[in-house]
Amino acid sequence: GAGVSQTPSNKVTEKGKYVELRCDPISGHTALYWYRQSLGQGPEFLIYFQGTGAADDSGLPNDRFFAVRPEGSVSTLKIQRTERGDSAVYLCASSAQDLGEQFFGPGTRLTVL
Amino acid sequence: GQQLNQSPQSMFIQEGEDVSMNCTSSSIFNTWLWYKQDPGEGPVLLIALYKAGELTSNGRLTAQFGITRKDSFLNISASIPSDVGIYFCAGNPYNNNDMRFGAGTRLTVKP
Repeated sequence: GAGVSQTPSNKVTEKGKYVELRCDPISGHTALYWYRQSLGQGPEFLIYFQGTGAADDSGLPNDRFFAVRPEGSVSTLKIQRTERGDSAVYLCASSAQDLGEQFFGPGTRLTVL
Repeated sequence: GQQLNQSPQSMFIQEGEDVSMNCTSSSIFNTWLWYKQDPGEGPVLLIALYKAGELTSNGRLTAQFGITRKDSFLNISASIPSDVGIYFCAGNPYNNNDMRFGAGTRLTVKP
């Protein structure tokens, strides 16, 4: 389809492990966003890319979280030494321009046991 | 950072009734947006507002960007069962690229 896709849809991992979450934005969208959504809460901003560069990473909770977008399209959110508190749905969104309307993917549900 | 206060947290209404929900902030926002999220899905944009005082409709939905730039409301008229879901307000704080979300309003529509 033409929407934002995210893989995997579900990820179960053990405490201390490393995980990678992938986002494929809508083709041609230059801006890409990562959010984290805990149960019963709204999405919480993590990081925003404009092209290949991270324009704003102020929402990353700590240095265990890192994201890349090497070619300005697909992005990977990387979490090292996962903790149980990292369990959440990780949402990706893209937009055609800075501050433009964001289109969300279905999310990756991460469970850290 | 700037927090969005969204109310009510939940609403239980009869089919055909009108619904109103709102969002306030302690700081000025550049944009206000309203999203709907169904279980297991990402939020879907309903209405986007870019100018203070702007009033925009999308079918049975109407939203306004408050004059003070610190609030917005969403109205749904003549609710139907498929309106069930969680509605989120969101916005870009002034001079800030990131999007802030409210905690959501869970809407239940009884047929």
